[in-house]
Amino acid sequence: SQKIEQNSEALNIQEGKTATLTCNYTNYSPAYLQWYRQDPGRGPVFLLLIRENEKEKRKERLKVTFDTTLKQSLFHITASQPADSATYLCALSNQAGTALIFGKGTTLSVSS
Amino acid sequence: DTAVSQTPKYLVTQMGNDKSIKCEQNLGHDTMYWYKQDSKKFLKIMFSYNNKELIINETVPNRFSPKSPDKAHLNLHINSLELGDSAVYFCASSQDTGRSMNTEAFFGQGTRLTVV
Repeated sequence: SQKIEQNSEALNIQEGKTATLTCNYTNYSPAYLQWYRQDPGRGPVFLLLIRENEKEKRKERLKVTFDTTLKQSLFHITASQPADSATYLCALSNQAGTALIFGKGTTLSVSS
Repeated sequence: DTAVSQTPKYLVTQMGNDKSIKCEQNLGHDTMYWYKQDSKKFLKIMFSYNNKELIINETVPNRFSPKSPDKAHLNLHINSLELGDSAVYFCASSQDTGRSMNTEAFFGQGTRLTVV
């Protein structure tokens, strides 16, 4: 069955640095991969979607890469700020294309 | 206006009781979902509905019964609640057809269910 792994449960960095989060998947070749942000007590909020034929996508300080050979996506936040502290979830479609399957998330803490 | 709204936000109840969680979306989406987030924060799909029709039932006990009176609403009814049902339940919707996931999902604020 499909498996999604977000390698780090927690990542602590200093303000101004670039945060890099990793998402690996197995047993499937998704056409799309999504990243979400979740704050405590709130529902996940969509950040970026990347298609299998896109190597990289950017939105403001966010950048996502998608390597279908390595079966990996990297999520970067440049010039990180304390307000970026949250849990970031990687998600991809299940094989039937009927729902999103989520990784366990990486909790990012940005200290000033 | 809240895009996806769930009620109640908190629900504390005794084992054996029956409870419902309501969800409504005003985005005009055809597909709605219920997810369960356990104490380890793992978000797991439970049900998917497209245009009021059940698409997925991910091996959820039949004590859980979703009901979609129209495509803007997907309610979750839980019978004979057990301690292990304690979790946060999220409703979500998307423009997807229920056969592909190529658009973003919008989530509600969650319902924290505590069974005592």
